[in-house]
Amino acid sequence: GNSVTQMEGPVTLSEEAFLTINCTYTATGYPSLFWYVQYPGEGLQLLLKATKADDKGSNKGFEATYRKETTSFHLEKGSVQVSDSAVYFCAPLIKAAGNKLTFGGGTRVLVKP
Amino acid sequence: EAGVTQFPSHSVIEKGQTVTLRCDPISGHDNLYWYRRVMGKEIKFLLHFVKESKQDESGMPNNRFLAERTGGTYSTLKVQPAELEDSGVYFCASSFETGGEQFFGPGTRLTVL
Repeated sequence: GNSVTQMEGPVTLSEEAFLTINCTYTATGYPSLFWYVQYPGEGLQLLLKATKADDKGSNKGFEATYRKETTSFHLEKGSVQVSDSAVYFCAPLIKAAGNKLTFGGGTRVLVKP
Repeated sequence: EAGVTQFPSHSVIEKGQTVTLRCDPISGHDNLYWYRRVMGKEIKFLLHFVKESKQDESGMPNNRFLAERTGGTYSTLKVQPAELEDSGVYFCASSFETGGEQFFGPGTRLTVL
């Protein structure tokens, strides 16, 4: 079946540190790939996306590259800020499975000043 | 343009009672999705509407859950009777295209005592 493996948190970092959150998936076909973020007290927001192999999604200093050969979509940011503290969700959208998002367990990131 | 809205933001009910959650999608979005996150688990798909029709309800946990989208605009999700394990956060999302980017509402936190 379709599944997502996302590194467990919490991840605690200092400001300006480098952040990587690993995400790998199993899916039939070629899904579109999304990272969603949930800031404290808020709903899910789309952070970035990539719809085909080798595409790079980017937003707010975050980047993730669609790696078909490794079925991965790791999220990176070179210099985090306190405001990046949130829960991050990796979510492939698999058209063959009915166009629904399959979410990873979420990774809580805490950035300390 | 207004985003996806959900009502109520929080509901506390006793086991055996009935609760109805409401979702208003972004205007013009034919696709409406329900997801939920129960304590300690991943966000899971419940069902997908295209206009007023249920496209995929494979994620509905049991027949205590009933979703409707009369007229193809807002949707309701009724839980009757509610059980303890139904506690969690229920998210609604909408998209313009099937398989396109999904925009999420803030969620309804349901607590069943």
